[in-house]
Amino acid sequence: EAGVVQSPRYKIIEKKQPVAFWCNPISGHNTLYWYRQNLGQGPELLIRYENEEAVDDSQLPKDRFSAERLKGVDSTLKIQPAELGDSAVYLCATRRASTDTQYFGPGTRLTVL
Amino acid sequence: AQSVTQPDIHITVSEGASLELRCNYSYGATPYLFWYVQSPGQGLQLLLKYFSGDTLVQGIKGFEAEFKRSQSSFNLRKPSVHWSDAAEYFCAVGSYTGTASKLTFGTGTRLQVTL
Repeated sequence: EAGVVQSPRYKIIEKKQPVAFWCNPISGHNTLYWYRQNLGQGPELLIRYENEEAVDDSQLPKDRFSAERLKGVDSTLKIQPAELGDSAVYLCATRRASTDTQYFGPGTRLTVL
Repeated sequence: AQSVTQPDIHITVSEGASLELRCNYSYGATPYLFWYVQSPGQGLQLLLKYFSGDTLVQGIKGFEAEFKRSQSSFNLRKPSVHWSDAAEYFCAVGSYTGTASKLTFGTGTRLQVTL
């Protein structure tokens, strides 16, 4: 089966600019996660979706970050405005309801100048 | 709250030598434990997982891990390392909130393999 697809793979922007990341999950995976991975660190959960509902967004900085998952399939993560500290890799992962294994996409490497 | 400690930031081994990467976890209930590998510029790939049963778990690429409840550890091992194993390795503990699992990752161990 096809894996988790993310785009773009790389993004360079200036601070205060907006940016958006897109994730297409594995077919049939109803749980979707967005993680942020800072340099030299493990991934940290930002938000989790069950179908189209955000069920855990406690770690999402809501003043500048937003996410949506229309129709319970693709998802978009947005940052507006971006800050220097947002430079990181943003990973999307998905999971089938009958299992407990998360499958990760290749990530989007964001550089904020 | 759950946490994971990977005490070794960086490990170097010779090709053909054995490998053990350490992982200690903190979790109040029976843990769900995972090892993922991340190659440069890539996402995380699942190596193996432990949910219950046999405490010695076999994974892909010749890796195995042993769950030791008394030591709160889940160390990853490979008897003979290949140069292609050079990557970053992450241990994670899963907890259940509602119907889905939430993963908490360690900070990772970078493996360098010398020829």
